[in-house]
Amino acid sequence: NAGVTQTPKFRVLKTGQSMTLLCAQDMNHEYMYWYRQDPGMGLRLIHYSVGEGTTAKGEVPDGYNVSRLKKQNFLLGLESAAPSQTSVYFCASSSPGQGFTEAFFGQGTRLTVV
Amino acid sequence: DQQVKQNSPSLSVQEGRISILNCDYTNSMFDYFLWYKKYPAEGPTFLISISSIKDKNEDGRFTVFLNKSAKHLSLHIVPSQPGDSAVYFCAASYNAGKSTFGDGTTLTVKP
Repeated sequence: NAGVTQTPKFRVLKTGQSMTLLCAQDMNHEYMYWYRQDPGMGLRLIHYSVGEGTTAKGEVPDGYNVSRLKKQNFLLGLESAAPSQTSVYFCASSSPGQGFTEAFFGQGTRLTVV
Repeated sequence: DQQVKQNSPSLSVQEGRISILNCDYTNSMFDYFLWYKKYPAEGPTFLISISSIKDKNEDGRFTVFLNKSAKHLSLHIVPSQPGDSAVYFCAASYNAGKSTFGDGTTLTVKP
């Protein structure tokens, strides 16, 4: 059981380049999330989705776009990368249950923008 | 305005002793609280949670206490083991929605 898989694991971009991070989950979860983690800080929510075809903004959405065309996939796009977007990106998924259920995280993507 | 705060960036304890990690929150709407554990180069993994209708939840060596009036929760690890050395994140949510995370506390358990 793979859980949540992020592709790629590492990437170096030049300022102004674009890229897409892919997140795939095999747990049939409804909810998916993209977070970023900067040194010494917690996880900040970029965008999230509560179901296929839906997306919503989180705390720090500027400079990012997302798409959820299939239930199992959640894509995070950077149209014009900036050094401020150097970070570790985590994708997560969860299932709405009785109350709240925990999120399952991918292993992270370390992105450096030079 | 940071809604979930972990005021201690680091904590060091001796193996076998108790580790107490603290978390404060400001949003009284939060109704579910979770602790995640993170090792270097890995994603966070769920550790333990508590609903706002409870004041304690226990799972093996891990216990979470919630004090709603003080808007404070704590994670107790007894006894602490070297393998518990990791970053611990407190998270809070409401209405089964997205979680807000604290900045984390790095726990080091010395043999």
